[in-house]
Amino acid sequence: GNSVTQMEGPVTLSEEAFLTINCTYTATGYPSLFWYVQYPGEGLQLLLKATKADDKGSNKGFEATYRKETTSFHLEKGSVQVSDSAVYFCALSYGNNRLAFGKGNQVVVIP
Amino acid sequence: ETGVTQTPRHLVMGMTNKKSLKCEQHLGHNAMYWYKQSAKKPLELMFVYSLEERVENNSVPSRFSPECPNSSHLFLHLHTLQPEDSALYLCASSQGLRQYEQYFGPGTRLTVT
Repeated sequence: GNSVTQMEGPVTLSEEAFLTINCTYTATGYPSLFWYVQYPGEGLQLLLKATKADDKGSNKGFEATYRKETTSFHLEKGSVQVSDSAVYFCALSYGNNRLAFGKGNQVVVIP
Repeated sequence: ETGVTQTPRHLVMGMTNKKSLKCEQHLGHNAMYWYKQSAKKPLELMFVYSLEERVENNSVPSRFSPECPNSSHLFLHLHTLQPEDSALYLCASSQGLRQYEQYFGPGTRLTVT
């Protein structure tokens, strides 16, 4: 089947720290991979995406590389800000634009 | 209005009530989706509409009844819900069904008492 696994638990870090959120996937075929972000009280917003192996998606200082050999799409940012506090969801697409989401990770950035 | 809007933003209803959630997209998209977001669970796709026709129903109980009168509007009619149906209900739209980005609304926070 098609599924996404994100590391358990919230992530708390200080401003300007390095952020990594792990994401691995199981899929049939060759899915596109996404990171969505959900700020408090809002819906999900697409943060970045990658459509094929070795592609790197990037936006707002965040990056993730589509690794087919390790079936991973880890999200990274070199220096986080308080405004990056949100919930981050990894997702893959399958079939006719269906999305399978991970459970999400709450990121809290402390000043 | 821009993007995807949802009303109401918050709803409290009893188990015997009937209510409706509304979603409107201002993006000229042809596909619309309902998702359920519960605490500590991945987002669950409930329904997919393409060009106003339902193309997917993911084993959702009949107490949830979707309606798509045109490509800009999507409703979710609710009746005789259970407390476990309390969740954030998200609407999304996309240009079509061929690997297009989905744009999400802010959601309706539903509490069933």
